[in-house]
Parts: sequence; structure tokens; C-alpha cells
Amino acid sequence: QVQLVQSGAEVKKPGASVRVSCKASGYTFTNNYIHWVRQTPGRGFEWLGMINPSGGSTSYAQKFQGRVTMTRDTSTNTVYMDLSSLRSEDTALYFCARVLGENYFWDWGQGTLVTVSS
Amino acid sequence: ERVMTQSPATLSVSSGERATLSCRASQSINSNLAWYQQKPGQAPRLLIFGASTRATGIPARFSGSGSGTEFTLSISSLQSEDFAVYYCQQYNNWPLTFGQGTRLEIK
Repeated sequence: QVQLVQSGAEVKKPGASVRVSCKASGYTFTNNYIHWVRQTPGRGFEWLGMINPSGGSTSYAQKFQGRVTMTRDTSTNTVYMDLSSLRSEDTALYFCARVLGENYFWDWGQGTLVTVSS
Repeated sequence: ERVMTQSPATLSVSSGERATLSCRASQSINSNLAWYQQKPGQAPRLLIFGASTRATGIPARFSGSGSGTEFTLSISSLQSEDFAVYYCQQYNNWPLTFGQGTRLEIK
């Protein structure tokens, strides 16, 4: 069965960077885009961007342009999301999610809590 | 950006009854709308895509309707496992956006 397994919770200081990983299994990794979405109690869900694991091309939400970088490693079927210049507002639960064609999310990772605090 | 507005914020319904949840888009999104269910401590689960197509394994008591700017998720004969938070998401335009959710609670 399809699984997206994310890395563990992170605590970071303001100004730092964080990397969250998402390891895929149960399907052909290069066949489907992976998106990143975050969730907070105050702002709900926010879409950060997506990556095509086949060629590595990316598209980011304008809000996060310049701060987010998504990469992939086809040897380990893993996608990475780096977010830099962290601030307290980046405290959120970050999810990776798979799409099959159109941009709605069939499969989700379990979520990674990133806490930004001094 | 398409703003998605869900109503009501909280809906109290008895088991066995029908629940109707609404989602409105700030501009037309055609039928490019998905619905998700989320339970505490879990990732969302896809219920409906294309406004009205049930995802694999989703019971027939879940149905979606609408197009353009007005959408509805209906759950007939509520079961205990249906009490959760429901979100709509549009994928017609970038950036992808979500509604703020409707909490479905037991009356």
C-alpha cells in the first residue's frame, strides 16, 4: 500500500532553517507529484508548493518563494522540504501529500510538527 | 487567490440523521473541488474530488454536489465514525487553497 513517512518533530530558533523529509513507498516514486501543505490552528491549511520527483522541477506558492526549497532523491524515494529564515508564524504541522494527476491529495504523510521558538 | 469559505463552523447533528456542509468559492472554480475528513491526530483523508466523485473506499452515504462557487457535502445517516472536521479544497487555480473547516459534532 502507498505510504508517505515523514521525519520527526523539530524545534528551531527564529532565523534558523528546517528540513523535513517524506519517504515514499508502495508505488513508482517518479510517477506522481508530491506537494507540501502546512496546518495551524489559526491559519488552517496553507499550500507551500510541489515537486515532480521525475525531473525535480518545482513550483512554490508566492508567499514562500525565496524561503522554501523542495528536492528529491530518487535513490531513496525521498522528498525534502527546506524552509529557511524561520519565524514563530512558521510553527505548524507540515504534511507531504501525493497527487495522481489533478491537484487534490490522495495520500498524506503523518505530519511533522515544526516549532519555532526562542 | 481563491478564498474558500465553509459554513457552518460547527454543526451538531444526531447519529442517524443527515448532515449538510457548505463550501463557497470567492470566484468560480468550475468543479475542481475536493472534500477531506480529518480526525484528531490524523492526516486528512480524501472523500470527494471533482465536486461529486467519491474517492476509493468512501461509503455511499457521502455525496458531493455543486459547481462554480457553491458546493455541498452531504452525509446521510451519520455514523459515529463520521464525527470529525471536514475541509474543502479548490484546485482550479494557483495557489491551492482550503476552507477553514466545519466541525461535525454529535448532538
